[in-house]
Amino acid sequence: AQKITQTQPGMFVQEKEAVTLDCTYDTSDQSYGLFWYKQPSSGEMIFLIYQGSYDEQNATEGRYSLNFQKARKSANLVISASQLGDSAMYFCAMRERAYSSASKIIFGSGTRLSIRP
Amino acid sequence: GAGVSQSPRYKVAKRGQDVALRCDPISGHVSLFWYQQALGQGPEFLTYFQNEAQLDKSGLPSDRFFAERPEGSVSTLKIQRTQQEDSAVYLCASAPSGGSNLAKNIQYFGAGTRLSVL
Repeated sequence: AQKITQTQPGMFVQEKEAVTLDCTYDTSDQSYGLFWYKQPSSGEMIFLIYQGSYDEQNATEGRYSLNFQKARKSANLVISASQLGDSAMYFCAMRERAYSSASKIIFGSGTRLSIRP
Repeated sequence: GAGVSQSPRYKVAKRGQDVALRCDPISGHVSLFWYQQALGQGPEFLTYFQNEAQLDKSGLPSDRFFAERPEGSVSTLKIQRTQQEDSAVYLCASAPSGGSNLAKNIQYFGAGTRLSVL
């Protein structure tokens, strides 16, 4: 069975510093997709970044990058130059079949990130 | 609309009451998912539609939960005889289908409906 583990319930970071949010996953599938979503207090789940299991390069989207280490089954999110608006819950998630829209997503328990001014 | 729209945003129900939660997906998105998010936890899968066909309902917690998408666009999640343990945020997500690898078939979420059962 697939499983996502986020071991940091909460983190505090100074504004403008970089931050790494940890995520490990477990799956026996060869094809899968890894996601990070941001959930501010408004409740909406905002897509941040995606990494397919066959992608050789780490995904990047603006200030977000995904440190994908396949052998270690880890998919850490790195946020560079953090901003006050980055304060939110962050969820790591996984989908079987990297490029299928038909697969449900399994979520971790989340990390609450708080940015200090 | 531009994004996934859910209504109502908040719903308070008395125990035993029936409720209906609506999801309006992104136009043209074939896939539609419902998730349940308990307080302080990550979302958990409830059910999946491809167009009007409900292809996976393995996550529905009991037969009191029912979902439909009769015309392949708007979906309704219905909960009959609500119980206190049904209190949660119900999230809807939609995704395109058949796109290229670049499309990644990302699931886009709405803001959710917060259900409180008293």
